[in-house]
Amino acid sequence: DGGITQSPKYLFRKEGQNVTLSCEQNLNHDAMYWYRQDPGQGLRLIYYSQIVNDFQKGDIAEGYSVSREKKESFPLTVTSAQKNPTAFYLCASSDRGHGYTFGSGTRLTVV
Amino acid sequence: GQQLNQSPQSMFIQEGEDVSMNCTSSSIFNTWLWYKQDPGEGPVLLIALYKAGELTSNGRLTAQFGITRKDSFLNISASIPSDVGIYFCAGNAGGTSYGKLTFGQGTILTVHP
Repeated sequence: DGGITQSPKYLFRKEGQNVTLSCEQNLNHDAMYWYRQDPGQGLRLIYYSQIVNDFQKGDIAEGYSVSREKKESFPLTVTSAQKNPTAFYLCASSDRGHGYTFGSGTRLTVV
Repeated sequence: GQQLNQSPQSMFIQEGEDVSMNCTSSSIFNTWLWYKQDPGEGPVLLIALYKAGELTSNGRLTAQFGITRKDSFLNISASIPSDVGIYFCAGNAGGTSYGKLTFGQGTILTVHP
């Protein structure tokens, strides 16, 4: 079955470390997105990519980086520059006529 | 950037009651979408609205795209325990259900049996 897979489900990071969250889709969607979810704040866009080898900053890109070397993959790196990284991270993909498909999320906790 | 104001922030209701939530914006959106998120999971699309004034139903769910294109509401009739979750509105200025979306803050729904 086609879908979007995020891994790991839970991730713990020490302060000062970079961590990378994985997002893979087999839906053949062109566009992929990373959102951050905090209680009471809805979903905020971190980065998005509409095509391979191209991506744009969203509303809260500081302290994050991404790459889009393959159509099916859009990993997110949370760098040590992100001052408050503890959150639930959601990856999504979309294509014309299909709307958004979300992954099941990664919960990142800084310890 | 664009913002969506969603209300109420939370609702506590009895099973069988009807629910209403809404979303407003200071700017125009050409597509309105409603999502539901179960705990620990990603949001799932419930209803998509593409035309101002459009009223669309999906089972016990009914949503409307405001005539001004700056608001939308979602109604749930005869609520059941599995309706529990967070409901999000989302808007797209481009008039599609894909592309960059702006999300509301969410409405947390609790249904008491």
